[in-house]
Amino acid sequence: GAVVSQHPSRVICKSGTSVKIECRSLDFQATTMFWYRQFPKQSLMLMATSNEGSKATYEQGVEKDKFLINHASLTLSTLTVTSAHPEDSSFYICSAEGGRSYNEQFFGPGTRLTVL
Amino acid sequence: RKEVEQDPGPFNVPEGATVAFNCTYSNSASQSFFWYRQDCRKEPKLLMSVYSSGNEDGRFTAQLNRASQYISLLIRDSKLSDSATYLCVVSMNTGFQKLVFGTGTRLLVSP
Repeated sequence: GAVVSQHPSRVICKSGTSVKIECRSLDFQATTMFWYRQFPKQSLMLMATSNEGSKATYEQGVEKDKFLINHASLTLSTLTVTSAHPEDSSFYICSAEGGRSYNEQFFGPGTRLTVL
Repeated sequence: RKEVEQDPGPFNVPEGATVAFNCTYSNSASQSFFWYRQDCRKEPKLLMSVYSSGNEDGRFTAQLNRASQYISLLIRDSKLSDSATYLCVVSMNTGFQKLVFGTGTRLLVSP
């Protein structure tokens, strides 16, 4: 149990385009979903936290108009990187909290974004 | 100062060796503590939670010293499959459990 999927696993796009990443909890309802970003040789950094049906809470320094988060249901959250630039190239990982293991976060496999 | 500090390594050890990793955290309000394992280009996976009383899971032993704000992980009888990056993680309950990750310590176990 407690499986989280992400799609796509890898995406390459041109500068200026928008990219949508989906995060799904497959076998439990996620009360809260988290989006992280990891640059090479750096730690995972929390970008934002989202609860179903409400606006996401963004960490300091993360532009909410650039990284749009939609948490439409208890099993799906999406992150859209708008007008992507090469400096947005990173490993984006989501996690979900919920199910029987209250307070434990289950991580998705990540999405590697490369912006040319 | 980083919230969670770790020696990045790499630690190169032979199979069968015992290796120890340390981590310090700056926020005394941190409530929960964990070690995660991350393989190259993969998501982090929970290795174990860390308690003040110390806890052991097979070859892995974790210890927390709240007074010194220090966390350790000991791996005995290293296996080739232990090669990975080990992430020290602390959390605070801010309405939800906010995880703060260290940059990780890389371990390479050789035959």
